[in-house]
Amino acid sequence: SQQGEEDPQALSIQEGENATMNCSYKTSINNLQWYRQNSGRGLVHLILIRSNEREKHSGRLRVTLDTSKKSSSLLITASRAADTASYFCATERPSFQKLVFGTGTRLLVSP
Amino acid sequence: DTAVSQTPKYLVTQMGNDKSIKCEQNLGHDTMYWYKQDSKKFLKIMFSYNNKELIINETVPNRFSPKSPDKAHLNLHINSLELGDSAVYFCASSQRRQQETQYFGPGTRLLVL
Repeated sequence: SQQGEEDPQALSIQEGENATMNCSYKTSINNLQWYRQNSGRGLVHLILIRSNEREKHSGRLRVTLDTSKKSSSLLITASRAADTASYFCATERPSFQKLVFGTGTRLLVSP
Repeated sequence: DTAVSQTPKYLVTQMGNDKSIKCEQNLGHDTMYWYKQDSKKFLKIMFSYNNKELIINETVPNRFSPKSPDKAHLNLHINSLELGDSAVYFCASSQRRQQETQYFGPGTRLLVL
């Protein structure tokens, strides 16, 4: 069954604003990953956060993980038009050698 | 140099035909995957191979048969194509089978008429 659900399904902002996307999941995990997919392209890995970590940064990206609430958020600061894409969370469960992807958030950043 | 490549990029074919999609990775990874992304962008794993050995086989019709001639290649053969097989198929690879970033290919857009 589907593991991750993302919220919102779609987000439209102006350049320079921050974008926050949330991911909720149902079971215990080893790690949670965020990926970006530009239209017509493959997925690109953004950040991996392990179950014993609470926050991770990479450039303009900040990811938090709350295992008690089974949720994660991805914050993109000072967004750019080039950030326009779909963003997916993916979880890896203990003893399961696979990623289960969420439903995705479509982000539109207008100039 | 492309890390994970797939051919063809587009595939348009008639129902009932048999087709293959090829995938190659030059990252030296041990594990490779096939995913299917439907029209709603939902991405689901189909198969995973580690060092040429099948480790994940999700509930996929047996018309789909993966083949890994070596650990750098994972091909997908589909028999008797159906309309519902229309989707984007992504190949991916990772260094090991767990706790790893996955690297995705550009996708193969399959349209069955």
